[in-house]
Amino acid sequence: EAGVAQSPRYKIIEKRQSVAFWCNPISGHATLYWYQQILGQGPKLLIQFQNNGVVDDSQLPKDRFSAERLKGVDSTLKIQPAKLEDSAVYLCASSLGARAGAQETQYFGPGTRLLVL
Amino acid sequence: AQSVTQLDSHVSVSEGTPVLLRCNYSSSYSPSLFWYVQHPNKGLQLLLKYTSAATLVKGINGFEAEFKKSETSFHLTKPSAHMSDAAEYFCVVSSGSGTYKYIFGTGTRLKVLA
Repeated sequence: EAGVAQSPRYKIIEKRQSVAFWCNPISGHATLYWYQQILGQGPKLLIQFQNNGVVDDSQLPKDRFSAERLKGVDSTLKIQPAKLEDSAVYLCASSLGARAGAQETQYFGPGTRLLVL
Repeated sequence: AQSVTQLDSHVSVSEGTPVLLRCNYSSSYSPSLFWYVQHPNKGLQLLLKYTSAATLVKGINGFEAEFKKSETSFHLTKPSAHMSDAAEYFCVVSSGSGTYKYIFGTGTRLKVLA
């Protein structure tokens, strides 16, 4: 079974530029997550989709971050404009259930490492 | 509210000796608990999870963890460390009512000495 795919793997941009990340979850997985992992910290949830609806975006900085999940499959996360503090690894994960329960296992992609100069 | 505390940011062990990575949690509901491992430039991989069945959970690569409700702990152990175990380990709690999300600890970096 193919895992969660993410691209690009690395990105370097200057502050105030825009950037987009792409995620393709495991086939058949209804729930998709984007996390931000700053160096030395654990991942922090940015947004959670169930099918193509947003379940939780309470920690997404909506003035600069946006995300969409088209047709309940692939997803893109965009940052515009980027700030220095956005330098981090952006992880995408997916889980099977349409109603994600506490016991749901999340499967993670390899991440996109973003450096903002 | 829920939270998780990993008590050691770095742990060093010699190859062939036991591994203990400590995790304490806080949760208003019955939690599910997970341990993930992250090798450099790789994604997070599930080692094991506790979901209110057996309190002693066995995972991949010889790891296991014991859920202790009275101590609010979920420590990860392995009898004999291997060089390939060197990585970052994250303890995760998930609980709630309605909407569930993972709350990650800050991670423990395991170093294995030859």
